[in-house]
Amino acid sequence: RKEVEQDPGPFNVPEGATVAFNCTYSNSASQSFFWYRQDCRKEPKLLMSVYSSGNEDGRFTAQLNRASQYISLLIRDSKLSDSATYLCVVRGSWGKLQFGAGTQVVVTP
Amino acid sequence: NAGVTQTPKFQVLKTGQSMTLQCAQDMNHEYMSWYRQDPGMGLRLIHYSVGAGITDQGEVPNGYNVSRSTTEDFPLRLLSAAPSQTSVYFCASSNPPGTSGREQFFGPGTRLTVL
Repeated sequence: RKEVEQDPGPFNVPEGATVAFNCTYSNSASQSFFWYRQDCRKEPKLLMSVYSSGNEDGRFTAQLNRASQYISLLIRDSKLSDSATYLCVVRGSWGKLQFGAGTQVVVTP
Repeated sequence: NAGVTQTPKFQVLKTGQSMTLQCAQDMNHEYMSWYRQDPGMGLRLIHYSVGAGITDQGEVPNGYNVSRSTTEDFPLRLLSAAPSQTSVYFCASSNPPGTSGREQFFGPGTRLTVL
């Protein structure tokens, strides 16, 4: 079983709609959680950290559910520029990062 | 600041050839890492370094060597290239865990094909 699992998608979303997707992790001792964004053939870039109480950054909302061991990302009012692959990243107690394979989001006009 | 830079951007090798992928950062980060990204898989850690002169193996170290003689540079050496090493390689740097600003900054990647 992979340490971090994501639905690969693609999630096809009309412009202006809301999309949400999850990521599950297997190590209950994981300490930190992040969402990174990766555009086609580019490097990953940090989108947002995920805090225990949930957090928002503009149109993006991240949630953490430690009991069920998953994190989620919700994008409101989707823009064409939100089309990308979203990587779930988990930092374990040993400090190293584990990456999910990514969820592809395609926002259509 | 240039951030994290990698060279070359593209490379084609024949099986058995060796080469070095270059990585440099100008943010004075102590932590540097090399990852490979393959289709359908998350980034996998090859080697990492917590400071000049200190390196350690990651999840998939076989066939690769690293050294860290300066804070800025962290080259990755392929000893004898194999088709299984065809991948996209990313170098990353960050401050240590437990410090503020722990975001990992990635270089633009090197696309390597081994024939």
